Amino acid sequence: DTGVSQNPRHKITKRGQNVTFRCDPISEHNRLYWYRQTLGQGPEFLTYFQNEAQLEKSRLLSDRFSAERPKGSFSTLEIQRTEQGDSAMYLCASSYRLDRTQYFGPGTRLTVL
Amino acid sequence: KQEVTQIPAALSVPEGENLVLNCSFTDSAIYNLQWFRQDPGKGLTSLLLIQSSQREQTSGRLNASLDKSSGRSTLYIAASQPGDSATYLCAVRGRQLDDYKLSFGAGTTVTVRA
Repeated sequence: DTGVSQNPRHKITKRGQNVTFRCDPISEHNRLYWYRQTLGQGPEFLTYFQNEAQLEKSRLLSDRFSAERPKGSFSTLEIQRTEQGDSAMYLCASSYRLDRTQYFGPGTRLTVL
Repeated sequence: KQEVTQIPAALSVPEGENLVLNCSFTDSAIYNLQWFRQDPGKGLTSLLLIQSSQREQTSGRLNASLDKSSGRSTLYIAASQPGDSATYLCAVRGRQLDDYKLSFGAGTTVTVRA
């Protein structure tokens, strides 16, 4: 069990650029979640995958955001035309079952200049 | 919509004192509740998970209680140490079958003074 990994750990970009983050869940976990956390706040849910199916999307996930989980393994979160308000920590989590612990990765900190 | 509140927002105690962290939620129809620890600039580490049918969970110096009917959970940390300094977050999962997300509080930032 190597835990949830996320890459990159930090990303600095200019407004208007596109960015993509990757999450590798714990290998036997078929459920994967993305959250966003801004300074001083708790994480807010963005989206959920069960295997390769995206089953829930938050209203926070505007049209500029897209998430995929091809083949039910790793997941990517892409933000197009980044805005300064997108600056946050993006956290990925995975779980074996819905009623079990969600294990979080170290996060990707995005700074939009 | 589930609202989760954690009071106080910050807490500073001398080493050895017991910590009591509070979490309240507005919708008592929850599936489970988790407590997490977050160090500055890091991800979340799960501490304890309490199913809705349970009243408490214990792990080492940590004990978490759940009173679902009143919408409250309390995390107790016995004999605090400087290494316990971190932000502690509680999160609840709704009971609906298609409610997959965790709803988080803003956290309590704990400082344990040596």
